[in-house]
Amino acid sequence: DIVMTQSPDSLAVSLGERATINCKSSQSVLYSSNNKNYLAWYQQKPRQPPKLLIYWASTRESGVPDRFSGSGSGTDFTLTISSLQAEDVAVYYCQQYYSTPYSFGQGTKLEIK
Amino acid sequence: EVQLVESGGGLVQPGGSLRLSCAASGFTFSSYWMHWVRQAPGKGLVWVSRINSDGSITSYADSVKGRFTISRDNAKNTLYLQMNSLRVEDTAVYYCARGGLYSGSTNWYFDLWGRGTLVTVSS
Repeated sequence: DIVMTQSPDSLAVSLGERATINCKSSQSVLYSSNNKNYLAWYQQKPRQPPKLLIYWASTRESGVPDRFSGSGSGTDFTLTISSLQAEDVAVYYCQQYYSTPYSFGQGTKLEIK
Repeated sequence: EVQLVESGGGLVQPGGSLRLSCAASGFTFSSYWMHWVRQAPGKGLVWVSRINSDGSITSYADSVKGRFTISRDNAKNTLYLQMNSLRVEDTAVYYCARGGLYSGSTNWYFDLWGRGTLVTVSS
């Protein structure tokens, strides 16, 4: 099974500043036949379901603000929020969908400093 | 409106059973892989099970294998999770989520989620 590990567990950033969340998988989630990384990022606000932000490691879901970006390949990935807004306060999860059991990171709680 | 709406949660004693439902609307339900994901109170997300578009392929997390059964009724646009031999550690909000389109999209991200239904296993 693939284990996903996020860092940090929590993060406090000032409004307008950059927030960076890291995600590491225990084995590569890059599928060589199509050169795609099977890695997604989700945002979960309190008392709400998760919302898809990024898929294929770097493709932004329709309607997601362009301050959200994803990068990385293989086993190391990053979610970056370029300029933090108040509405970005949430828990962020990475997920591998390379193979079952699909697995999520433990989550990173993002707060305003 | 494209949406998923879960129902069927509630309080059940250890060893009991419960069947969750997820009603889909606004999209061609019969074309998509579907998943169940759960979240224990204050904890993270855990994938539970998946089913392909015609119901012929299913997969489960080891923690529920042999106790839970995923199924679907494409005529009713509804996904199900039959949960038997429930344990205290199965207490969670259960979300249904949409996966890939058709059988060719076996491994795919989850682009649509329901609001979840709470299952509490307690004596």
